[in-house]
Amino acid sequence: DTEVTQTPKHLVMGMTNKKSLKCEQHMGHRAMYWYKQKAKKPPELMFVYSYEKLSINESVPSRFSPECPNSSLLNLHLHALQPEDSALYLCASSQLPGSRYEQYFGPGTRLTVT
Amino acid sequence: KNQVEQSPQSLIILEGKNCTLQCNYTVSPFSNLRWYKQDTGRGPVSLTIMTFSENTKSNGRYTATLDADTKQSSLHITASQLSDSASYICVVSPNYGGATNKLIFGTGTLLAVQP
Repeated sequence: DTEVTQTPKHLVMGMTNKKSLKCEQHMGHRAMYWYKQKAKKPPELMFVYSYEKLSINESVPSRFSPECPNSSLLNLHLHALQPEDSALYLCASSQLPGSRYEQYFGPGTRLTVT
Repeated sequence: KNQVEQSPQSLIILEGKNCTLQCNYTVSPFSNLRWYKQDTGRGPVSLTIMTFSENTKSNGRYTATLDADTKQSSLHITASQLSDSASYICVVSPNYGGATNKLIFGTGTLLAVQP
């Protein structure tokens, strides 16, 4: 199984809502990532979890709150988002931390903030 | 200036034709260079991954080349199909030491294959 799954596929939320994005992998990978991708732009790294601990936060606003409940699950909690946060949010995982390891991407969650 | 630049930005070809996408990078040293295919609204899917010592890697109709001397890579697509329409992203993994190096993404080439 080389699949990273993400739910939901699409999400529309108001600026006062609280929602969560979910990512799951069962490949035994020990590093998991959140990326944000705007249209026609490359993915931008947001967070990296290594062995279930947050290792990189790319100065992401606190309205995005990541959580790694166990080695297979990664959540991204959203609160008080802005319209400019609308984007495709991608989750990825790799066998071990470090950019030399292959990253497997999920299909993404298309987020629209109204 | 981007450390990974791709050309062309977009490309339209007819079904069945071949095409070559280019990637120039300045990242040095690096561990590997990857080509991803990304369908609109979907996550990137890995096509090839090459270490700095490899010159070529194939995956079906996709063949990637790497010239570490000139810091150039190319992705050649043979006998294109309509399903090849996607964005192709060149990604370089720097090797500056440590386990926290970030991938460096190119801006992609948007390929449209027309019938």
